[in-house]
Amino acid sequence: DQQVKQNSPSLSVQEGRISILNCDYTNSMFDYFLWYKKYPAEGPTFLISISSIKDKNEDGRFTVFLNKSAKHLSLHIVPSQPGDSAVYFCAASVEGGGNTPLVFGKGTRLSVIA
Amino acid sequence: DVKVTQSSRYLVKRTGEKVFLECVQDMDHENMFWYRQDPGLGLRLIYFSYDVKMKEKGDIPEGYSVSREKKERFSLILESASTNQTSMYLCATGVNYGYTFGSGTRLTVV
Repeated sequence: DQQVKQNSPSLSVQEGRISILNCDYTNSMFDYFLWYKKYPAEGPTFLISISSIKDKNEDGRFTVFLNKSAKHLSLHIVPSQPGDSAVYFCAASVEGGGNTPLVFGKGTRLSVIA
Repeated sequence: DVKVTQSSRYLVKRTGEKVFLECVQDMDHENMFWYRQDPGLGLRLIYFSYDVKMKEKGDIPEGYSVSREKKERFSLILESASTNQTSMYLCATGVNYGYTFGSGTRLTVV
């Protein structure tokens, strides 16, 4: 059973517009969430994270929103740029979870069209 | 910055061969992980290790084994490669606040 779900396999957005990538989770023990970005033939790179004590975290063009009651988080990219075209993975963890690995979603492929 | 180095970017192996994928990290992290990435299936955890000589099965360990003789090195072994093991293999290290991944090894089994 998937604990972290990214229900949109792909998303296409015009350059300059907002990209919104969504992620849902089922395990109420998760209290730390991360987004990774992956280009083809490269490893994933860390993008932004949020702890469950917050509902928003912003870093430049990237903002992550967390809705704990809905067990939902979203990544907003404003404005979107062609270089943002990549696969985005949502991940979740339990901060005090010791050696329990991060749980990843299946990813959403974002295409930003110039 | 933590650096994770995977020994090969691209590999082509024959069915039935024994394959070794090597991963080295240059920081003092205890946790190391092996994932494979396939289109539509995301990142799937194969094995992980939280200490030297310790290993834990992930979600898809069948057909794989691992070795952790030194803290900085974590090897993934395909005992007898099969075509369904053609994939992108990713090594990572870190803690629950975030992992650092290697560049990946694209393995093709023919």
